[in-house]
Amino acid sequence: QKEVEQDPGPLSVPEGAIVSLNCTYSNSAFQYFMWYRQYSRKGPELLMYTYSSGNKEDGRFTAQVDKSSKYISLFIRDSQPSDSATYLCAMSVHAGNNRKLIWGLGTSLAVNP
Amino acid sequence: DAGVTQSPTHLIKTRGQQVTLRCSPKSGHDTVSWYQQALGQGPQFIFQYYEEEERQRGNFPDRFSGHQFPNYSSELNVNALLLGDSALYLCASSPRSGEADTQYFGPGTRLTVL
Repeated sequence: QKEVEQDPGPLSVPEGAIVSLNCTYSNSAFQYFMWYRQYSRKGPELLMYTYSSGNKEDGRFTAQVDKSSKYISLFIRDSQPSDSATYLCAMSVHAGNNRKLIWGLGTSLAVNP
Repeated sequence: DAGVTQSPTHLIKTRGQQVTLRCSPKSGHDTVSWYQQALGQGPQFIFQYYEEEERQRGNFPDRFSGHQFPNYSSELNVNALLLGDSALYLCASSPRSGEADTQYFGPGTRLTVL
């Protein structure tokens, strides 16, 4: 079993839809949870990070962490064609020098005008 | 403020050759990580440098080596290139003192091995 599982999609939605992207993980030691957006042939761009369980909102984006279920989500409200990209979840254990990020495979999202 | 920069943008090599990729971290960042990303896959961690030393390493052979300079910039070297080394190589920087390991990525170097 992989440490981080992410449905690769592809996911196709109409403009204005609410998008839900999800990852599950197996390592209960993970403390930091990130969402990155990657446009084609570009490096990943950090969207949001959260620590421990709970919600964090930034504009149209909401990150949610449920540590009891080992499940994280990214919600995009009022999705736009410019949101079309691959979304990657990543997580890490912050313990001393152990700062390696563990990544999901990424979910490809297409928002259709 | 310049973000993470990488050079070159694209590179074409043949099997058996050696390649050096370069990375300059974001201003204020002292930790550099390198990743390999194959098409349709998430980034795979190669190694991480801090204070000019390799601090962590992923599951990559010794053909992959690196270096960090006093100004925090870094190089990734790959020897005896294989066809399977064709990928996007990403450099990410982060501040060691940061609470979370929030890494900022460069645009990547696309390596093609023929």
